[in-house]
Amino acid sequence: EVQLVESGGGLIQPGGSLRLSCAASGFTVSSQYMSWVRQAPGKGLEWVSIIYSDNSGGSTYYVDSVKGRFTISRDNSKNTVYLQMNSLRAEDTAMYYCTVWDCSSTSCADYWGQGTLVTVSS
Amino acid sequence: EIVLTQSPGTLSLSPGERATLSCRASQSVSSNNLAWYQQKPGQAPRLLIYGASSRATGIPDRFSGSGSGTDFTLTISRLEPEDFAVYYCQQYGSSPPWTFGQGTKVEIK
Repeated sequence: EVQLVESGGGLIQPGGSLRLSCAASGFTVSSQYMSWVRQAPGKGLEWVSIIYSDNSGGSTYYVDSVKGRFTISRDNSKNTVYLQMNSLRAEDTAMYYCTVWDCSSTSCADYWGQGTLVTVSS
Repeated sequence: EIVLTQSPGTLSLSPGERATLSCRASQSVSSNNLAWYQQKPGQAPRLLIYGASSRATGIPDRFSGSGSGTDFTLTISRLEPEDFAVYYCQQYGSSPPWTFGQGTKVEIK
């Protein structure tokens, strides 16, 4: 069974840093495209970052608003994906979800973690 | 970056009615890589449609997607009580960022 469990969120002052973790089970993170999506309180979904599978070169991408501040990475030995967030701003306050698609030859399914809440405030 | 605009913002309908949701892209979506998600309060989103028209695993056939290029539609043929939620489109064509629309809320009339 595929499961994603996020952790690492919390209350942090502006300018601070946090590292979010997404521990995966039921599949290997190195073989899938792993994404982070966030949702500010009462707002819509915002795609944040992705790391491609090893087979696709492991490339990483970011939404413009976090480029240079956030870094996505993975530890294959721990089957975990990370989002290092530096220079945090009030507008980074959101629930952060880790997500992955699992596609067979006939269909796709998505999996999401329960989310971890990041609050940036003084 | 491709901007997705969803309309209407809110759709007020009764159970059993047909819902038609629109998603318009600021430029053509590569390979029609357009997905639809459903989100209920306090829950993570759930994938409904990918590739503009393919239903995700376990999704009932009352949900259907259509469209190509810059104009896409999600149709719910007959609304069930559990379908009242917020719906988002997302494009995942070519290189990221893979943007979301702002959402359409389907509420009970």
